[in-house]
Amino acid sequence: NAGVTQTPKFRVLKTGQSMTLLCAQDMNHEYMYWYRQDPGMGLRLIHYSVGEGTTAKGEVPDGYNVSRLKKQNFLLGLESAAPSQTSVYFCASSPGPTNTGELFFGEGSRLTVL
Amino acid sequence: AQSVAQPEDQVNVAEGNPLTVKCTYSVSGNPYLFWYVQYPNRGLQFLLKYITGDNLVKGSYGFEAEFNKSQTSFHLKKPSALVSDSALYFCAVRDRGAGNNRKLIWGLGTSLAVNP
Repeated sequence: NAGVTQTPKFRVLKTGQSMTLLCAQDMNHEYMYWYRQDPGMGLRLIHYSVGEGTTAKGEVPDGYNVSRLKKQNFLLGLESAAPSQTSVYFCASSPGPTNTGELFFGEGSRLTVL
Repeated sequence: AQSVAQPEDQVNVAEGNPLTVKCTYSVSGNPYLFWYVQYPNRGLQFLLKYITGDNLVKGSYGFEAEFNKSQTSFHLKKPSALVSDSALYFCAVRDRGAGNNRKLIWGLGTSLAVNP
């Protein structure tokens, strides 16, 4: 039972470098989300998707891009990393519009931008 | 504006004692209410939810939560704490509106430390 899998788990970047975080879910969920978690700030929604081929902005979308080309995958991209993007990133999924909102989370990806 | 408050950053309790982690919310109507737990260096895990019906909801690992509509609260409780319950606990709410924009509103989390 893989559930929600995030890769990589750890990454160190230099300012200005780009990278992509991959989230894969094997539960056939419609909705997927990217959050960042920072001390004292809880979870903040970056982008989300309500189905294959769709994406939408969350609370803190600036500096990030996403794509959902396949239902099972949700990619989070940083085009030009900044130290303010140092954080732990979590991907989550949920079944869809008939669901009451329960989310299933990945284990997290810890990103450090120097 | 819709919001969720977890008034205590940290809760300390002795093993075997009852524990309470508080959550209050400001959301229109009758929201869905959730508790999640995050163990160190792990993702969040769903604990329990309130949708409708009995105000006392039972969830995983012996946890329960009490919905109080008049006080707009959804406090997490456990009759006897274990050291292994030490973790970060998040309260979340979502309104019952239709449509695709059905995002959760999160509290900032409460760190629970259970001392042996």
